[in-house]
Amino acid sequence: EDQVTQSPEALRLQEGESSSLNCSYTVSGLRGLFWYRQDPGKGPEFLFTLYSAGEEKEKERLKATLTKKESFLHITAPKPEDSATYLCAVCHSGGSNYKLTFGKGTLLTVNP
Amino acid sequence: GAVVSQHPSWVICKSGTSVKIECRSLDFQATTMFWYRQFPKQSLMLMATSNEGSKATYEQGVEKDKFLINHASLTLSTLTVTSAHPEDSSFYICSARIDENSPLHFGNGTRLTVT
Repeated sequence: EDQVTQSPEALRLQEGESSSLNCSYTVSGLRGLFWYRQDPGKGPEFLFTLYSAGEEKEKERLKATLTKKESFLHITAPKPEDSATYLCAVCHSGGSNYKLTFGKGTLLTVNP
Repeated sequence: GAVVSQHPSWVICKSGTSVKIECRSLDFQATTMFWYRQFPKQSLMLMATSNEGSKATYEQGVEKDKFLINHASLTLSTLTVTSAHPEDSSFYICSARIDENSPLHFGNGTRLTVT
């Protein structure tokens, strides 16, 4: 069964304390892996797309990396405004073109 | 660019009534839109794929007669929850993409509470 697992479920950091979020997947024919940020009561906001192992993308304090089995979202020197739920989703050949399978997310809290 | 607008942001209705949710792509045309449902601390679950000018494609386990989808134009899709019951209470989110090579962009969701 195709699965997307995110860990940890929740993470508390102090402002400036760098860390990483994990997204592991077991799907056949990965066509793309997506990271989204979701604030409470809002829809997901697109962050990154990764297509192949070894690819990296950066945006401000965030950096996403991809291997054949997992992706990491690295957060460098986080600020309180980075607090949100971070969602990982995969698009795979088992489904239609943009049928994404989402993980449950990691709730990140950054304390000042 | 790629702004998706969803309305209303929240709605409370009585059991047995119907509720319509609108999803608009504001600055691009979307031949395909997607409707998701999200329960607390759970993944986004795809309910159906809305195709402009044709019938929606529903995921397994989603009742097409209960969740009516209409994609009347390239910028508007609607989801109507018919004869709503308390178990339909959830967060409904629509999404769309500019083209097949673009990521999905999501609306801000609709919190439906059925009393």
